Formats: sequence, C-alpha cells, structure tokens
Amino acid sequence: GNSVTQMEGPVTLSEEAFLTINCTYTATGYPSLFWYVQYPGEGLQLLLKATKADDKGSNKGFEATYRKETTSFHLEKGSVQVSDSAVYFCALDNTNAGKSTFGDGTTLTVKP
Amino acid sequence: DAMVIQNPRYQVTQFGKPVTLSCSQTLNHNVMYWYQQKSSQAPKLLFHYYDKDFNNEADTPDNFQSRRPNTSFCFLDIRSPGLGDAAMYLCATSRDLAGGTDTQYFGPGTRLTVL
Repeated sequence: GNSVTQMEGPVTLSEEAFLTINCTYTATGYPSLFWYVQYPGEGLQLLLKATKADDKGSNKGFEATYRKETTSFHLEKGSVQVSDSAVYFCALDNTNAGKSTFGDGTTLTVKP
Repeated sequence: DAMVIQNPRYQVTQFGKPVTLSCSQTLNHNVMYWYQQKSSQAPKLLFHYYDKDFNNEADTPDNFQSRRPNTSFCFLDIRSPGLGDAAMYLCATSRDLAGGTDTQYFGPGTRLTVL
C-alpha cells in the first residue's frame, strides 16, 4: 500500500536559516505529491504540489522536486521566517479517488 | 473570503451523546471530504461525497455517518461519541476527485472534546 515517511520533528531553526524537511514515499504507479501546511488552530493549506517526475513545486519561497529515482519530495526554503512556524505534511495521491495518504507531519518552530 | 466553513470551531459533547459537525462551501465543488486528525498525527480520511454519491473508507467505524443535503453543505454525525473520538475534524472540498489535478481546500476544522 501507499505510505509517506517524513522527517521526525520537531525542528527548531533561527530566522533566516535554511530549511529542509525530508519526505520519502512508497506507492504504485505515478502518484501526485503534495506539501500542506497547518498553522496553529487552523486547517490544512496546500503549499505546493508536483504531478510528475522532475516537476518542481514552489510557493512562498518553498520548493520541492519530485524525484522518482529516490522516491522523495523534500521541502526546502532558503531563509525561514518566524511566520513559517507551523506543522508541515507531505502527502501523495495515486488513486484519482480523493484518497490522499499523509505523512505524520513535521513541526517547525522558527525563533527570532 | 472563507471558502470552506466549519461550525462550530470547538464542540464539547458527553460520552454517548450524539453530535453533528457542519461544513459548508462557497466553491460549488463536486467533492466534499471528512478527515479525522488526532493530536500529532496525520489526517485520516473517513469518507467523501462525490456529488450525491457517498464513499465510505473501509476502516471508518459505523459510529460515523455523513449527510450531504445539497452541494454546499455536508454534515458529520457521530452517533455515540467515545473518548477515543476526541479529535480535530477537517472538512475539505475539491472540484473533482483529487488525483493530483484538483486541489483540496480545507476548512479550519472543528475540535471535538468528549467528556
């Protein structure tokens, strides 16, 4: 079956530090890959996505590249801000049936 | 403007007392989803509606039911809440089935407490 493994948190960084949150997956076929962000007390928001191998998703300074050869979709940002503090979820969908598989989430705290 | 609205944001119920959570959307999307998210865990899909077609996940307990009276509204009914049902319940929508081409839009969630 499908599975998503995320880097365990929590992750604590200073403002302007470089961020990497690792995500690897197991799935049949060619899944679409997503990163969602969840701010305290709120629902999930789609941060970025990639639908085929070698695609790069990007949004708000965050990037992730779909690497089929390593089954990975690592999230990166060159310079984090305090406002980036949130929980980040990696997810995949290869079902065309609305059945996304989520990782367990990684909590990021950015300190001034 | 809010696109996926969940009410209430916080719900407290008693063990065994039925409770209904509400979700509405202004996007006119075909698909509405309900997820359960327990503390520090990934969201778990309970079921979804594609228009009026109901699709239940195999491992969703019978205690959880859903209704979708029209395109805009979807309800989650918990018939006899147990302590283990305390969680955040997330509603989401998508224009079509989210196979990567259709983004899911999530509401802010309802946090359910069971006393």
